[in-house]
Amino acid sequence: GESVGLHLPTLSVQEGDNSIINCAYSNSASDYFIWYKQESGKGPQFIIDIRSNMDKRQGQRVTVLLNKTVKHLSLQIAATQPGDSAVYFCAELFYNQGGKLIFGQGTELSVKP
Amino acid sequence: GAGVSQTPSNKVTEKGKYVELRCDPISGHTALYWYRQSLGQGPEFLIYFQGTGAADDSGLPNDRFFAVRPEGSVSTLKIQRTERGDSAVYLCASSSLDGTGTQYFGPGTRLTVL
Repeated sequence: GESVGLHLPTLSVQEGDNSIINCAYSNSASDYFIWYKQESGKGPQFIIDIRSNMDKRQGQRVTVLLNKTVKHLSLQIAATQPGDSAVYFCAELFYNQGGKLIFGQGTELSVKP
Repeated sequence: GAGVSQTPSNKVTEKGKYVELRCDPISGHTALYWYRQSLGQGPEFLIYFQGTGAADDSGLPNDRFFAVRPEGSVSTLKIQRTERGDSAVYLCASSSLDGTGTQYFGPGTRLTVL
């Protein structure tokens, strides 16, 4: 029979609003944190990254915040657009492990027009 | 420029059969990664190549899984005696640096084992 996957956390926002997607991590040895966007039927697409010794980084319409004290990472998307609808994953990167990525659970962002 | 490509895009096979999945990384990228993504979950690391050699294969689930990259470019993931639990999307990524560069993902191969 058909397999049933886990239900992803879902965030539903109105077009034009700001979105905040959260991620908790457990390993303090991470060198980088990265946000990926994955649309249906496609591979993950790089959005933005942040080095572990930083607490904030801004890109175009996106901001990533890192709180190492509580091991929390967030992605803020300004003026969310329908094209932002996708599943968003945070990932940890470890230099001493060849740069392999450890992905967290994704969040499905749904933008209502 | 061309991104990472993977073939086939879909593969349906019967339990017990052998399959090969191919990855063409971005030209010039020395690092290549394979991940597996089950429905509703994030990708899970399988194996990492730096050039022709497998630098880290700790994510391969068992000895039915094997990957090669003989000329340091194209890579093939090989699965023997497939099982229904192997059904997933197999993703390939490449990076220009030795584990510190941004990884660019291909579209994946959806493998279904009946």
